[in-house]
Amino acid sequence: DAGVTQTPRHEVAEKGQTIILKCEPVSGHNDLFWYRQTKIQGLELLSYFRSKSLMEDGGAFKDRFKAEMLNSSFSTLKIQPTEPKDSAVYLCASSLGTGVRGTQYFGPGTRLLVL
Amino acid sequence: GDSVTQTEGQVALSEEDFLTIHCNYSASGYPTLFWYVQYPGEGPQLLFRASRDKEKGSSRGFEATYDKGTTSFHLRKASVQESDSAVYYCALRGNYNQGKLIFGQGTKLSIKP
Repeated sequence: DAGVTQTPRHEVAEKGQTIILKCEPVSGHNDLFWYRQTKIQGLELLSYFRSKSLMEDGGAFKDRFKAEMLNSSFSTLKIQPTEPKDSAVYLCASSLGTGVRGTQYFGPGTRLLVL
Repeated sequence: GDSVTQTEGQVALSEEDFLTIHCNYSASGYPTLFWYVQYPGEGPQLLFRASRDKEKGSSRGFEATYDKGTTSFHLRKASVQESDSAVYYCALRGNYNQGKLIFGQGTKLSIKP
């Protein structure tokens, strides 16, 4: 089985641009998560979907960050407009759900640099 | 709300040293506890998990025991290798958090050959 796929792996954007990051979860997984990772803040949850329904939308990120699940096998994270403080690694993860099946599998991440 | 605290931000050891990374949690009931490892350029990957008091999780020589009394899940390895250099995250999934994980701040482990 393929793991979680994220594209692009690297992105450079100018301040004020719109960027879209993509994620394909593990086939059959019904939970999908977007995280932001920085050295200072560590791993921060941005969005959480269950069976394509938005379960949680990180409060601090609501204004410029929008995650969507277009179908059960594809998700996007849009940042609009970008700011230099958005420079970070964005990780996507998926899982089968709760209980022992609830282990999250992470993609390799997209490293974003905003100039 | 639920939280996870890792005491050490960075740990530097030599090969064959004994490793302990401390993890304490705050959550009601019996959360599921996890250790993840992240190598450079990759996403975190599961080392192991535990969901009951006194349950021991283990993988690749690493181990941790769920201790509800001290609300701890400390990571240990008897003899580290250079290839163990990575960032280690302790995490929990609470009873009422559905699928969401709460992560600690991470501990960067550096092993000198």
